[in-house]
Amino acid sequence: EAQVTQNPRYLITVTGKKLTVTCSQNMNHEYMSWYRQDPGLGLRQIYYSMNVEVTDKGDVPEGYKVSRKEKRNFPLILESPSPNQTSLYFCASRGTRSSYEQYFGPGTRLTVT
Amino acid sequence: AQTVTQSQPEMSVQEAETVTLSCTYDTSESDYYLFWYKQPPSRQMILVIRQEAYKQQNATENRFSVNFQKAAKSFSLKISDSQLGDAAMYFCAYRSYDYAYSGAGSYQLTFGKGTKLSVIP
Repeated sequence: EAQVTQNPRYLITVTGKKLTVTCSQNMNHEYMSWYRQDPGLGLRQIYYSMNVEVTDKGDVPEGYKVSRKEKRNFPLILESPSPNQTSLYFCASRGTRSSYEQYFGPGTRLTVT
Repeated sequence: AQTVTQSQPEMSVQEAETVTLSCTYDTSESDYYLFWYKQPPSRQMILVIRQEAYKQQNATENRFSVNFQKAAKSFSLKISDSQLGDAAMYFCAYRSYDYAYSGAGSYQLTFGKGTKLSVIP
């Protein structure tokens, strides 16, 4: 089954404690992205990757890091989480053709206290 | 940069009736894609319908159809015969077209802020 998986699905942590949210896709997609969703703001892109070792900032990259060492994985790293990073996070992937659909992961609910 | 505006934060519809959700966008591009996504309480993002800007014909998927007005930069979603399972948050989204040497926009979906749809039994 074609899918994007994220782990963990729920996470409560404290300010400053480094964490990683993993994302993996099984569709051999080149493009992967991270979005955050906040009430009243919709989804906003954090980082994206066009292929292995190629990443770039989205609209709200501050406080986040990513890496793309393998095509299937695109982890999101919060080196020093802060309460304003409490949000719902989505990973997404897509093939290279324009007409291809973007697949979303199930989301990760992060709370930083 | 492109922007997407959904002017209706919340809407409600009687079961079996028809409802239209509004979306406008701003862009200087001529080729692009527009999407409607549904987010039920499970939080999963589900693609409802997609429209390519170069197609004049409005996209349709079963009970869901769009009214795409390119000149007016409007992209509304019509849900016919509303069902209880249609209750969800709906997001309108924009994506640039992938040319051979496209810019960052083609890797990004730009979302509106969403419309919460309630279905009344």
